[in-house]
Amino acid sequence: GESVGLHLPTLSVQEGDNSIINCAYSNSASDYFIWYKQESGKGPQFIIDIRSNMDKRQGQRVTVLLNKTVKHLSLQIAATQPGDSAVYFCAENTPMRDDKIIFGKGTRLHILP
Amino acid sequence: DTGVSQDPRHKITKRGQNVTFRCDPISEHNRLYWYRQTLGQGPEFLTYFQNEAQLEKSRLLSDRFSAERPKGSFSTLEIQRTEQGDSAMYLCASSQYKTSGREDEQFFGPGTRLTVL
Repeated sequence: GESVGLHLPTLSVQEGDNSIINCAYSNSASDYFIWYKQESGKGPQFIIDIRSNMDKRQGQRVTVLLNKTVKHLSLQIAATQPGDSAVYFCAENTPMRDDKIIFGKGTRLHILP
Repeated sequence: DTGVSQDPRHKITKRGQNVTFRCDPISEHNRLYWYRQTLGQGPEFLTYFQNEAQLEKSRLLSDRFSAERPKGSFSTLEIQRTEQGDSAMYLCASSQYKTSGREDEQFFGPGTRLTVL
């Protein structure tokens, strides 16, 4: 399959450990944030989102934390599994941009056996 | 399969040729987006439609690019006189935009990988 992002920052995590992927955003007007997972040869897949009136949101094995003071977003994956290997993108949206999302640079998550 | 589909999945063409890609969104979605993704980067917005109306085009979309969504369902993206710099993954996404609020999440297709020789 296709490989997306050969020169991306890479995070290597032992299988079973927790993963934390970080993202900094620049637009203080952004009010909606999304994390996407992109596996080789596939389009991005929605993982979890959060609005700016929240600082934490939990899903199944994933948690997103938002710190608006420092414009920082993180994705925590609990008990990382081999199937979590992918490139992860954060994306932001501002009302002024008519709901179009802007993707950040991705992070490749590599699971060690 | 009720997800977003794109055709073809791969396209190899010679510089100067025209290419056309097709996207079939999720049937009830009124918004359709085109993105371009190059190696090592996140998807970059190109253009989007709400129903059949093309509401915005990015400055990335040169005059050689044209997109249509004639009946508010499937969409085509055509690139004329392709250049090597057009080589990229072209992604389509769809969503349901509600006038009462923000849109639902965007669902992406698998993309069309274009290689211009």
